[in-house]
Amino acid sequence: GAVVSQHPSWVICKSGTSVKIECRSLDFQATTMFWYRQFPKQSLMLMATSNEGSKATYEQGVEKDKFLINHASLTLSTLTVTSAHPEDSSFYICSARAWEGDDTGELFFGEGSRLTVL
Amino acid sequence: AQSVTQLDSQVPVFEEAPVELRCNYSSSVSVYLFWYVQYPNQGLQLLLKYLSGSTLVKGINGFEAEFNKSQTSFHLRKPSVHISDTAEYFCAVIPNSGYSTLTFGKGTMLLVSP
Repeated sequence: GAVVSQHPSWVICKSGTSVKIECRSLDFQATTMFWYRQFPKQSLMLMATSNEGSKATYEQGVEKDKFLINHASLTLSTLTVTSAHPEDSSFYICSARAWEGDDTGELFFGEGSRLTVL
Repeated sequence: AQSVTQLDSQVPVFEEAPVELRCNYSSSVSVYLFWYVQYPNQGLQLLLKYLSGSTLVKGINGFEAEFNKSQTSFHLRKPSVHISDTAEYFCAVIPNSGYSTLTFGKGTMLLVSP
């Protein structure tokens, strides 16, 4: 099946610094990728839809300037948490559809990245 | 809009016992349905999906689910669980009419003890 990889798996940073998380589709091209945030013992919250070559579409309530998303190629999307604060600590997960035009809805997920802001 | 309800936040069960994780959904349009599993500190892995056809769907790791349109349910079952099945399970739906995103339930933690 399609493989989506995230890096880093774990990151600890100081408050006020910025952190970049990468999401790669390893064996397919992903025009669209999705970024989710997951709080402890809760479900996944869609943050934004990352579109290759264009601006991301953010969900209501998600700060565009805080969570910068770049989808510069068909296999890579990045999420940058700018000026991170302890409340940004969370588990961030990316996902992608396996192929262009696939409307079955199935998503392939990365392994997730746990961010801890001290 | 769609919504997914997983009534049980936690289901404790003994090893080799059967288990059912409940999922109900609400939608004004027809949907595709999914069950994903999440192991600690990992992403989500697809267990099974229902797109069309037979309402009984078999997935990986011995799991199966049955789509019941009249009851708007998609309950997940396994006849005999293992310790290794301990994980969080998410039910999700997506409209089958367009190119959209998944709506997840809040998840059910399956705790299998010896």
